[in-house]
Amino acid sequence: GENVEQHPSTLSVQEGDSAVIKCTYSDSASNYFPWYKQELGKRPQLIIDIRSNVGEKKDQRIAVTLNKTAKHFSLHITETQPEDSAVYFCAASRRGAQKLVFGQGTRLTINP
Amino acid sequence: EAGVTQFPSHSVIEKGQTVTLRCDPISGHDNLYWYRRVMGKEIKFLLHFVKESKQDESGMPNNRFLAERTGGTYSTLKVQPAELEDSGVYFCASSQVRGTISTNEKLFFGSGTQLSVL
Repeated sequence: GENVEQHPSTLSVQEGDSAVIKCTYSDSASNYFPWYKQELGKRPQLIIDIRSNVGEKKDQRIAVTLNKTAKHFSLHITETQPEDSAVYFCAASRRGAQKLVFGQGTRLTINP
Repeated sequence: EAGVTQFPSHSVIEKGQTVTLRCDPISGHDNLYWYRRVMGKEIKFLLHFVKESKQDESGMPNNRFLAERTGGTYSTLKVQPAELEDSGVYFCASSQVRGTISTNEKLFFGSGTQLSVL
């Protein structure tokens, strides 16, 4: 079955710097890749997603890139702010699948 | 728009006891999912309802877990009897199919139930 590996498990960056979180997936038929952000004590929320027919998608300070050949995708956060501190989860699913397969999560800490 | 609501937010029980978790999805969402995160690991799929029907329960760990969604509205997840390894955060999520968006996209999650089995 599908397997998603996420790295790093923890990441600490200075406010204003960029943060990058990487995920690899095993199922070449995967075609949907969302990223969820979970702030402390709150629910996971979808922040950005990408489908396999595009290589990059941006939304203000957040971007996701996808390399289908290498089967990996990454989340990029620029000009990080304290409110970016959270646990981030990547996920993948294949066309027709009813479920998401998540990575292990990355705890991102933004240092002021 | 009200979000996905889960109750209780925390539950502490002893091994062998029974616990029932409840999820109220966003009104009008036919798709309801249960996921679980154990001890800082990945969020793992448990099962998926479309209205009152179980579409996929391949992620249910064993027969101590029973999920229901009578009437296609709220859902319950019962663990009986609970074991130590059942401890974790149980998330519910809902979605609605619209146009080209499939069932597992644009999931709205609840805040989860933190289950501790002692």
